[in-house]
Amino acid sequence: EDKVVQSPLSLVVHEGDTVTLNCSYEVTNFRSLLWYKQEKKAPTFLFMLTSSGIEKKSGRLSSILDKKELFSILNITATQTGDSAVYLCAVENDGSGNTGKLIFGQGTTLQVKP
Amino acid sequence: ETGVTQTPRHLVMGMTNKKSLKCEQHLGHNAMYWYKQSAKKPLELMFVYSLEERVENNSVPSRFSPECPNSSHLFLHLHTLQPEDSALYLCASSQVLGRGGYTFGSGTRLTVV
Repeated sequence: EDKVVQSPLSLVVHEGDTVTLNCSYEVTNFRSLLWYKQEKKAPTFLFMLTSSGIEKKSGRLSSILDKKELFSILNITATQTGDSAVYLCAVENDGSGNTGKLIFGQGTTLQVKP
Repeated sequence: ETGVTQTPRHLVMGMTNKKSLKCEQHLGHNAMYWYKQSAKKPLELMFVYSLEERVENNSVPSRFSPECPNSSHLFLHLHTLQPEDSALYLCASSQVLGRGGYTFGSGTRLTVV
């Protein structure tokens, strides 16, 4: 059965700290791994990773994929209170007939205290 | 706004009621999805539509009935729900079926009493 596991499930840090969120997966016919940030309701897209070892970066956020060990990390440096959110990891499989779908992890709830 | 609009934002309904959730996207995407997000659980895929045709139904109870009249609109019709159906229902769309970069709506928070 395809599954995506995120850790930790929750995390509390102080402003300025650096955090690393983890996502491991077991998915047949892997196509890509995606990270989303969910603050109130709508998850918003952060990164899509398809190749191992290539870091994607956007401001203080970065992410990398290891397709051999089947995991990805999301790093946030110099955290701010606005980074408080649920971070979702999802893996896209290459289903038959092009009906691939996203399989989500449980999410990591990050709280950044002032 | 993300380009995917869901209404209503909140809904409280009794177990004998019939209601519908609406999703509309103005992104020109060809695929639309319904997801259920319950507390402490991963998002669960419910239904997938591509060019108005249902391509996947993930063993969802028949009390949930989707409808996709055109590629911009998606509905989820609800009837005789159970309290455990209370959750956040998220609609998403993508340019091509099954390809990444999904755009999500803000969801409908459903409470069944």
